Amino acid sequence: DQQVKQNSPSLSVQEGRISILNCDYTNSMFDYFLWYKKYPAEGPTFLISISSIKDKNEDGRFTVFLNKSAKHLSLHIVPSQPGDSAVYFCAAWTSGTYKYIFGTGTRLKVLA
Amino acid sequence: KAGVTQTPRYLIKTRGQQVTLSCSPISGHRSVSWYQQTPGQGLQFLFEYFSETQRNKGNFPGRFSGRQFSNSRSEMNVSTLELGDSALYLCASSLAASGGRTHYEQYFGPGTRLTVT
Repeated sequence: DQQVKQNSPSLSVQEGRISILNCDYTNSMFDYFLWYKKYPAEGPTFLISISSIKDKNEDGRFTVFLNKSAKHLSLHIVPSQPGDSAVYFCAAWTSGTYKYIFGTGTRLKVLA
Repeated sequence: KAGVTQTPRYLIKTRGQQVTLSCSPISGHRSVSWYQQTPGQGLQFLFEYFSETQRNKGNFPGRFSGRQFSNSRSEMNVSTLELGDSALYLCASSLAASGGRTHYEQYFGPGTRLTVT
């Protein structure tokens, strides 16, 4: 079963505008949610995370929002830059399981 | 600090053969996880090691195995390769627990691209 879902395989946004990437989950036991960015021929790099007890975390141009009642999180990138073009994965983690569950990824293309 | 390194970066094997992939974590990181990435499937968790002990494993057949050494370096082995094993295999390390706090961020290596023909 796919406990973490990214239903949009791709997204195109104009440079300078907001990019919103979405992720849905089914397991209410997840303690942390993370976003990773992946460029071709490289491993994913950690971007930003949020604890399940928070509803927002911000780091520079990146903000993650968590809606626990809807079991939904989103990553906002403002303003979007061409260098942000990559595949973005959301992941969820439960303390004590030592196991991360990843979504299938969303390919973001920022158009100059 | 040097990042996570994986060797080899590319590998071509024939169906039925076996393969061993290696991962060196970031210095001081004691947790190493392995993932398989295939198109459309995201990152599928294979297993996690901490202090030479496997703490969790994903839903993969027994042909997939791993181990961790005392220096935290890890290897994964796939026996009797099948065409469907062609994928990018990623290793990630984490500080895990330190100073009374759990460090859950993982740092990934560049991956090993395995092609089975």
